[in-house]
This record gives sequence, C-alpha cells and structure tokens, in this order.
Amino acid sequence: AQTVTQSQPEMSVQEAETVTLSCTYDTSESNYYLFWYKQPPSRQMILVIRQEAYKQQNATENRFSVNFQKAAKSFSLKISDSQLGDTAMYFCAFMKLRITNKLIFGTGTLLAVQP
Amino acid sequence: DTEVTQTPKHLVMGMTNKKSLKCEQHMGHRAMYWYKQKAKKPPELMFVYSYEKLSINESVPSRFSPECPNSSLLNLHLHALQPEDSALYLCASSHLGTVRNTEAFFGQGTRLTVV
Repeated sequence: AQTVTQSQPEMSVQEAETVTLSCTYDTSESNYYLFWYKQPPSRQMILVIRQEAYKQQNATENRFSVNFQKAAKSFSLKISDSQLGDTAMYFCAFMKLRITNKLIFGTGTLLAVQP
Repeated sequence: DTEVTQTPKHLVMGMTNKKSLKCEQHMGHRAMYWYKQKAKKPPELMFVYSYEKLSINESVPSRFSPECPNSSLLNLHLHALQPEDSALYLCASSHLGTVRNTEAFFGQGTRLTVV
C-alpha cells in the first residue's frame, strides 16, 4: 500500500522569504504522479504543482518548485517570495496510474506567512 | 471551464432527515470522487465512479448512498446520519488511466452538520 508522510505539522515564514515543505512517500509503483495541493481557509482544494514520476526534471510553477528525488522517494515543495495569500494547509498527494486514479494524501502542513 | 460545482455549500440536517449533496463538472472527466474531510485532517476517499459505474467504495456505511446519473453529475444521498458524520464533503473529478495531465479538480465542498 502507498503511504505519504509530511513530517512538519506547522510552519511559519516571513513575507518575501523562502520556505520548503517536506514530503516522503512509499510505493512499489514505477508510474505515478505526485501533487502539492493548497487548501486555504476558504476550503477550496487548489492544485499547486504536479510531478510525473517518469520525468527527471523538477516541476516549476512561478514561485513554486519541487525537489523530486525518486530513489529517495522524496518530494519537497519550495515556495519563494512568500506572500500572505500563501497561508494555507498544504497537502502532498500520490496518485498511481490505473483505470481509477486514487489520490492518497499526506497529513498536511499548515503554513502561516507572517507580515 | 475547470470548475467543479458543489451544492449546497452548507447543510444542517437532523438524524432522521434525508438529504442529497450534488456535484457537477463539465471538463469531460470520466472519474468522479467523494471525499470526507474532518477539521485539520486530510481528505479521506469515500467513493470513486469510473465511466458512471461505482469502482471503489472505501467501506462507507450504507447511510451514505452515491449516485452518478451521467458523466457530468455526481450525487451523495444521506439518510439517518450520525453527529460524527459532520464534516466537509468534497467532490472531485479527473481523467482516467494514464492520460497526461491527470490531476484531480476539487469543488468547494459542502459543510455538513448533523444535529
């Protein structure tokens, strides 16, 4: 069975600084996706960034980037130039590619961006 | 259109009531999901529909009854719920299988309170 672990329940960062959220996962699959989702107090789950396991290049979306280490089964999220609107719960998620794509979530990291 | 629309946004129901949650998407996704989320916890998968057929039931009590009338709609019928069923119910949709850009899009959720 797949598991996703986020070891940082809460983190805090000053506005404009950089922060890294950690995620590790366990799987025997070779073909899968990894995601970071953001859930602000408005409760909408929003996709931040996606990484396909077969791609060696780390995904980047504007201020968000990942460090994907497939052999180590590690998938960390770096947020640069943190903004107040980045305050949210961040979930790391794993999806193995089957007929039915099931998302498995980590326990989440609550990020607070301080002014 | 990359929206998943859920109604209602809030619902208060008694333990003897019958109510339904609705979810709609027009992205051509053939997989639709119901998740239950307690406060400060990750979403927990309840049901998955693939091509309008129930493909995963994560041992959910029968007082929750899902229905997928067509490829755009997903319902969750509620009957004789317990106070511990109070939670945020999230609907999501995605492409199936190994289609690229497979990611789950989430609705804003229905905040359910059982009294």
